[in-house]
Amino acid sequence: GNSVTQMEGPVTLSEEAFLTINCTYTATGYLSLFWYVQYPGEGLQLLLKATKADDKGSNKGFEATYRKETTSFHLEKGSVQVSDSAVYFCALSDRTGNQFYFGTGTSLTVIP
Amino acid sequence: EAGVTQFPSHSVIEKGQTVTLRCDPISGHDNLYWYRRVMGKEIKFLLHFVKESKQDESGMPNNRFLAERTGGTYSTLKVQPAELEDSGVYFCASSPIGTGLFGNTIYFGEGSWLTVV
Repeated sequence: GNSVTQMEGPVTLSEEAFLTINCTYTATGYLSLFWYVQYPGEGLQLLLKATKADDKGSNKGFEATYRKETTSFHLEKGSVQVSDSAVYFCALSDRTGNQFYFGTGTSLTVIP
Repeated sequence: EAGVTQFPSHSVIEKGQTVTLRCDPISGHDNLYWYRRVMGKEIKFLLHFVKESKQDESGMPNNRFLAERTGGTYSTLKVQPAELEDSGVYFCASSPIGTGLFGNTIYFGEGSWLTVV
């Protein structure tokens, strides 16, 4: 079955550090890949997505590229801010687009 | 435009009691989903409504869970009787796009935190 594996947290970084959160998936067929973010006290928000191989999703300085050859969708940001502190979830959906498979989430804390 | 709203935001109940969670999707969204995150684990799909019909309930853990969506608007998820392992965050989500559309994005609510003691 479909599954998503993302790096364990928590992750603590200093402001302006480089961020990578690894995400790999197991699935076949046409997929869409997503990163969702949950800020403290809020719901899950879509951060970015990619709907085909080699697509790069980007938003708020975050980027992730859908790599079919390595079945990965790693999240990166060149310079994190305190306001980026949140839990990040990698997810995929199959061709129907109606059932999402999530990773366990990675908690990020950015310290000044 | 209001987002997906869920009620209650937090609930603490005793084992064996009943809890009903409510979700109001974004207005006009035909698709409504329930997901659950048990502590430290991944967010898992529970079920999917299209309007008032259950399209997919393959993720419902057992018959103690009952979801309804009367009239195709808001939805309720009832747990009866609650067990300790039901503790977690229950997320509702909605989407304006019909089934079968590739790349569908779904919009989540803030979640209902359930603690069973």
